[in-house]
Amino acid sequence: KNEVEQSPQNLTAQEGEFITINCSYSVGISALHWLQQHPGGGIVSLFMLSSGKKKHGRLIATINIQEKHSSLHITASHPRDSAVYICAVETSYDKVIFGPGTSLSVIP
Amino acid sequence: DTAVSQTPKYLVTQMGNDKSIKCEQNLGHDTMYWYKQDSKKFLKIMFSYNNKELIINETVPNRFSPKSPDKAHLNLHINSLELGDSAVYFCASSQDPTASGTYNEQFFGPGTRLTVL
Repeated sequence: KNEVEQSPQNLTAQEGEFITINCSYSVGISALHWLQQHPGGGIVSLFMLSSGKKKHGRLIATINIQEKHSSLHITASHPRDSAVYICAVETSYDKVIFGPGTSLSVIP
Repeated sequence: DTAVSQTPKYLVTQMGNDKSIKCEQNLGHDTMYWYKQDSKKFLKIMFSYNNKELIINETVPNRFSPKSPDKAHLNLHINSLELGDSAVYFCASSQDPTASGTYNEQFFGPGTRLTVL
């Protein structure tokens, strides 16, 4: 069992839909990152969370430390949101563990 | 302005060769990282350098060695390349995650696709 898991693995949505990607982890963490990898391969850091909730434009990330769970929400999804979304955790031992990624495709 | 840059973007080489990938950041960050993304798109951290000290070294073969000539650069040297080294390598940087007790966002370079023939 992976220490960081994501669901769903693949997701297809219609433009305008509200999207949720989940990340659960089984280790103690000091921070959690959400990353976006574009089809061309480039990686962008979306959020870094250690508690609570953050919002950037149409993106919202939440984390529940007690439940060891984080969610990434995309409101009013758009085809340009199509990418792989990766959850990564920094453990209490200065180690970074990546989830397997969620491949999102938003159809016009 | 490019925050984190890597060169080359593509690298094709023969087995057994020695190669280097360069990384530079102009963000004034204290910590730089190297990651490997395999063919299944799974990312793994390889190294982290903070003020010229190696602070993370995952189970990476010693054919891989990071070299940091200064705080803005962390180059990756690979000796005796093997077929399994074919992957995309990403460099990243952040502020020192331990300095102030807070943990800081990482900024990624565009990646270097290494193909070993």
